[in-house]
Amino acid sequence: SAVISQKPSRDICQRGTSLTIQCQVDSQVTMMFWYRQQPGQSLTLIATANQGSEATYESGFVIDKFPISRPNLTFSTLTVSNMSPEDSSIYLCSVAITDTQYFGPGTRLTVL
Amino acid sequence: SQQGEEDPQALSIQEGENATMNCSYKTSINNLQWYRQNSGRGLVHLILIRSNEREKHSGRLRVTLDTSKKSSSLLITASRAADTASYFCATDQETGNQFYFGTGTSLTVIP
Repeated sequence: SAVISQKPSRDICQRGTSLTIQCQVDSQVTMMFWYRQQPGQSLTLIATANQGSEATYESGFVIDKFPISRPNLTFSTLTVSNMSPEDSSIYLCSVAITDTQYFGPGTRLTVL
Repeated sequence: SQQGEEDPQALSIQEGENATMNCSYKTSINNLQWYRQNSGRGLVHLILIRSNEREKHSGRLRVTLDTSKKSSSLLITASRAADTASYFCATDQETGNQFYFGTGTSLTVIP
């Protein structure tokens, strides 16, 4: 398994600003993933972040809005850019170890 | 959308009863997994069942998989108030490493 931490755990932001979420893993992993969970909804995959290459975005998500960094095998960041109230969600990072994904505790974002 | 669907959306039972949740998906898969999410928290991995398996047990959990019907069920036996949470199934497709989550079942166990 893996121990995953995220910062911040929650934030309240103003419309038009950007927030960078950090994800730290206690072991080296090849694949990291970023998900969004809108209120009362299931998880939607935003992108897959592999170290040493550009992130792969799912349909409906673009790099300009959700830039991702993956500088090494234990760390990744997701930025939510030019935020609007529709971006209010829980953002979760996860890592894949063998066939299982393990999740961080999530970052609860509220955009006013 | 590759997202699966779960039913029921919400389930309320008395402590000690069994809870059954179902998950349907759309494409061929390698594995199917079940996760639990307590309110507003991260997801906890419960159990993985591979595409060549039909049934798996872990403690009070029993998972079945029917690949011909593209469906799975999660049974929680002798439920406890602490089982109150949302439960999600997730599938990884044969063609990639991404996980796709079902819509989730909100379980309430009444003490």
